[in-house]
Amino acid sequence: RKEVEQDPGPFNVPEGATVAFNCTYSNSASQSFFWYRQDCRKEPKLLMSVYSSGNEDGRFTAQLNRASQYISLLIRDSKLSDSATYLCVVNIPDRGSTLGRLYFGRGTQLTVWP
Amino acid sequence: NAGVTQTPKFRVLKTGQSMTLLCAQDMNHEYMYWYRQDPGMGLRLIHYSVGEGTTAKGEVPDGYNVSRLKKQNFLLGLESAAPSQTSVYFCASSYGATGLAKLYEQYFGPGTRLTVT
Repeated sequence: RKEVEQDPGPFNVPEGATVAFNCTYSNSASQSFFWYRQDCRKEPKLLMSVYSSGNEDGRFTAQLNRASQYISLLIRDSKLSDSATYLCVVNIPDRGSTLGRLYFGRGTQLTVWP
Repeated sequence: NAGVTQTPKFRVLKTGQSMTLLCAQDMNHEYMYWYRQDPGMGLRLIHYSVGEGTTAKGEVPDGYNVSRLKKQNFLLGLESAAPSQTSVYFCASSYGATGLAKLYEQYFGPGTRLTVT
């Protein structure tokens, strides 16, 4: 079982739509959670961290459900510039070490059309 | 403040050739990472370093070696390139990997596109 699994996508939505991505993680000891954004042929960039109480950054809302080991990202009022691949990222502690590593989901592709 | 830089940006190698990819960061980060990204596979960790002079294996370390002689630089070496190593290689760095979530945030370089024929 993969450490991080995401909706396979792709998602194709019109401008102004609301779209939600889901992600599940396998290790209950996971400590930190993020959403990264990756544009075509570019490097991943941090979009937002995901906090236990949920958090919002403009049109983006992230939720964490530790009991279900589930993370979500909601994008409201989609813009053309939101077209990208969204990566769910989870920190999982290494066995026998306090070092945590980030594990990346395969990503969900979003295309927003005019 | 350049962030994370990688050289070269593109490279074509023949099977059996060797090369070194250079990653540099100017953010005084302790941790540095090398990933490869293949279609449908997502990002996979090759090697990482928790500080100058230290390195450790990630998920897919075979065929690669690394060195961290200076805090700001992390080198990835391919001793004998194989077609299976055709990929996009990303370097990343972070303040640390324990404690506050902010410490886990990784900053990525622009990537190196490597083709092995």
